Parts: sequence; structure tokens; C-alpha cells
Amino acid sequence: DGGITQSPKYLFRKEGQNVTLSCEQNLNHDAMYWYRQDPGQGLRLIYYSQIVNDFQKGDIAEGYSVSREKKESFPLTVTSAQKNPTAFYLCASSIVGGWETQYFGPGTRLLVL
Amino acid sequence: DQQVKQNSPSLSVQEGRISILNCDYTNSMFDYFLWYKKYPAEGPTFLISISSIKDKNEDGRFTVFLNKSAKHLSLHIVPSQPGDSAVYFCAASEATGGFKTIFGAGTRLFVKA
Repeated sequence: DGGITQSPKYLFRKEGQNVTLSCEQNLNHDAMYWYRQDPGQGLRLIYYSQIVNDFQKGDIAEGYSVSREKKESFPLTVTSAQKNPTAFYLCASSIVGGWETQYFGPGTRLLVL
Repeated sequence: DQQVKQNSPSLSVQEGRISILNCDYTNSMFDYFLWYKKYPAEGPTFLISISSIKDKNEDGRFTVFLNKSAKHLSLHIVPSQPGDSAVYFCAASEATGGFKTIFGAGTRLFVKA
């Protein structure tokens, strides 16, 4: 079955700690995205990547970092610089093209201890 | 500044009746609009889309209407079923804008049996 997987489902972060959220897809999509969802708000774009070894900042990239070493994988690191990391994080992928439907993973909920 | 607005946080409808979810946008450059459906603890899934050259698109029980002059779109679900209970996100993008899809805050639909 093709799809997107995210792990873990829940993640706890201590103060000052960096944590990495995993996102893997086997849909052969070139484009991948990371979104953050907070209560009462829409999905806000953190980073996106159109091709391996290239990525662009979204609207709320501060305090986050990404890498795209493989087509299938687009991990997101929430750094200690992100002062309000508690949120639901969604990874998505699509074929390249401005109008393309995005396919989402099940999400990771990040909580701060 | 929210470019895509869903002003109703929730909507409750009786099974078998019509559900109408509304969405307004401010950016006249948007030329492609999508609706996504999200169940709790899952990622959004694509439901239906419409390009700006059309004013209506239908897929089974789901119809999306676009009023470009009013910068307004709506999703109609007829007849509504209890399984339709979910959060519905409106989203918009522009072909020349590449990969930035802007999401609304979502409307939670409750369909009562």
C-alpha cells in the first residue's frame, strides 16, 4: 500500500532539547511538506521541498530545520529555539505542480514536558 | 492576515439533510481550491477540488460551488450521513505560486442520526 508514515504518534520534548519527527513516503512524490496545526487555526506551512537536497522555508520556519537527503524521507527537527513547540505536526507529499493534491500522513503530536 | 477564512467553527446537521460549509478568501490570485476532510488523530484527506475556470464541481454527494466575484466557495453534502462527521478544511493555491497552499481553520461538522 502506498502512503505516508509519520513517527512517532506522540513525542515529548524536554526544555532545551531538539527532537526529530520522521516522515516517509512511498508514493514516488517529488514534493514534500511539513505543516503545523494549532487549535482553531488552519495548517501552517513550516518547510517544503520540491526535490532531493533542496528545501524552502514556509511561513513559520523559525525554530525548525529539515533535510531532504532521500526522495522518500523528509525529517523535521524541532530545535530548542522553537519556544512554543506544542502542536500537531502533519507531513504531506505531492507530485510537482502548483495545483496538486497533497497526501497527508497521520500526524505527530508534540508535547513539552 | 488570514487569506482563507472559514468563519463557522462548527456545524450540526440532521442525517439526510444538506450540509453547507462555507469558505471565503481574500487573494484574487488564487485559482485552485480544495476541500480536505479530517478525522480525529488522522491526517487530512482530499475530498474535492475546483479550478477558477469553473463555478461548480460535483462528485457523488459532494458539490463545491465557487463564486469568484464574491471570493466565496461552499461545499454541499447531500444527503448528510453520520460518517461525514469530521473537520473540513478549505484550501486555496495559485498555479504561479507553486507550492504554497493556504488552509482555512476548518469547520467541524456533526451529523446527527
